[in-house]
Amino acid sequence: EVKLVESGGGLVKPGGSLRLSCAASSFMFSSFRMNWVRQAPGKGLQWVATISSGSENMYYADSVKGRFTISRDNPEKSLSLQMTGLTAEDTGVYYCVRAVGTIGSEFDVWGQGILVTVSS
Amino acid sequence: QSVLTQPPSVSAAPGQRVTISCTGSSSNIGAGYDVHWYQQLPGTAPKLLIYSNKYRPSGVPDRFSGSKSDISASLDIVGLQAEDEADYYCQSYDVGLTESVVFGGGTKLIVL
Repeated sequence: EVKLVESGGGLVKPGGSLRLSCAASSFMFSSFRMNWVRQAPGKGLQWVATISSGSENMYYADSVKGRFTISRDNPEKSLSLQMTGLTAEDTGVYYCVRAVGTIGSEFDVWGQGILVTVSS
Repeated sequence: QSVLTQPPSVSAAPGQRVTISCTGSSSNIGAGYDVHWYQQLPGTAPKLLIYSNKYRPSGVPDRFSGSKSDISASLDIVGLQAEDEADYYCQSYDVGLTESVVFGGGTKLIVL
């Protein structure tokens, strides 16, 4: 079964840092563009970041640019999101998501999500 | 304020038909970028429902269909069932001020 499993979430103080990880299984991880999408409590989906299959290109939402860093380790089949300078507006469930193809393609596999809470 | 506009909620009785709209602009849907739809049941991760405007992934019932025209897209659900009650999101790509993946604000489908 194709699967994505997030870890690393939790409670962090404003201004703090957190690193999310995503373990992929049962598909050729190195062939897919990967993404992070988040959802604030009671709100809609918001794209956070994308990394190309070979890490050549990274893209970020304006709201996280300069604070978040997406990376991947293809041999380990893992995706990461390093988050710094966290604020309350970063609180939410973070999903690790696989994109089918190139820019604008659909997100066909989603992890179960991991909760990040930024609060003092 | 989402780049793609969806109605906050729609409702219909079991067996009826409902349509959820997704309105964009010339920098996303109108620029030719595909629209994809996701269903999010309460307490779960989103699930791909329709991709590339009108195609259903394996396992999605043919009660669900999608279409796209000009700067808008629509998700149609016929023969509504109680288990269809969920949040629905459209997604596309925007090349306006900054290039990014964009989602609609989501539509809550209420089965009466």
